[in-house]
Amino acid sequence: DQQVKQNSPSLSVQEGRISILNCDYTNSMFDYFLWYKKYPAEGPTFLISISSIKDKNEDGRFTVFLNKSAKHLSLHIVPSQPGDSAVYFCAAYSGGGADGLTFGKGTHLIIQP
Amino acid sequence: GAGVSQSPRYKVAKRGQDVALRCDPISGHVSLFWYQQALGQGPEFLTYFQNEAQLDKSGLPSDRFFAERPEGSVSTLKIQRTQQEDSAVYLCASSTLAGGTNEQFFGPGTRLTVL
Repeated sequence: DQQVKQNSPSLSVQEGRISILNCDYTNSMFDYFLWYKKYPAEGPTFLISISSIKDKNEDGRFTVFLNKSAKHLSLHIVPSQPGDSAVYFCAAYSGGGADGLTFGKGTHLIIQP
Repeated sequence: GAGVSQSPRYKVAKRGQDVALRCDPISGHVSLFWYQQALGQGPEFLTYFQNEAQLDKSGLPSDRFFAERPEGSVSTLKIQRTQQEDSAVYLCASSTLAGGTNEQFFGPGTRLTVL
């Protein structure tokens, strides 16, 4: 049972345009959400997070939006740069659940020149 | 080193063999997590330590998996009598404070292949 779902295995975006990565979750107990970026042969690196009491968090080119009623979050990257090409994982945390993060399967973002 | 390190980076084991995977977290980090990442999947939580105490092992798939962090720094994940389904990348992460909302810093992982 996949509690965090990233339904797009891959996404191709032109350099300079906006990249939008989507994530859906089923567990209403999740109260904290994170995005991680992963390059091949490296561990995931933290990008940005959002608490369930907020609906938006922005950090430079990265913005995360949370729609609690729809159990949906998205990561916007604008403008997209070649170095953004990587696998992006959506992750969620429940304060009352297991201590670790629950990850989606990831979306491979490819930035085209 | 500045980051989380893991060794070995690659491990090939014959089915039935025991393996030990090591994680060196960032110095001073209180929390340490182990995750298993199968091919094409996201990381899946295995276990969590706060200092030397193993507070959550709900993700360990069977009693063949055992983790320890005896002095609250280095951690070892041991898998006994390895099976082919244990083939995966094993990721270790650490964070400064207790709890899962703090940023977790991941190591590069150990890729385990069981033949």
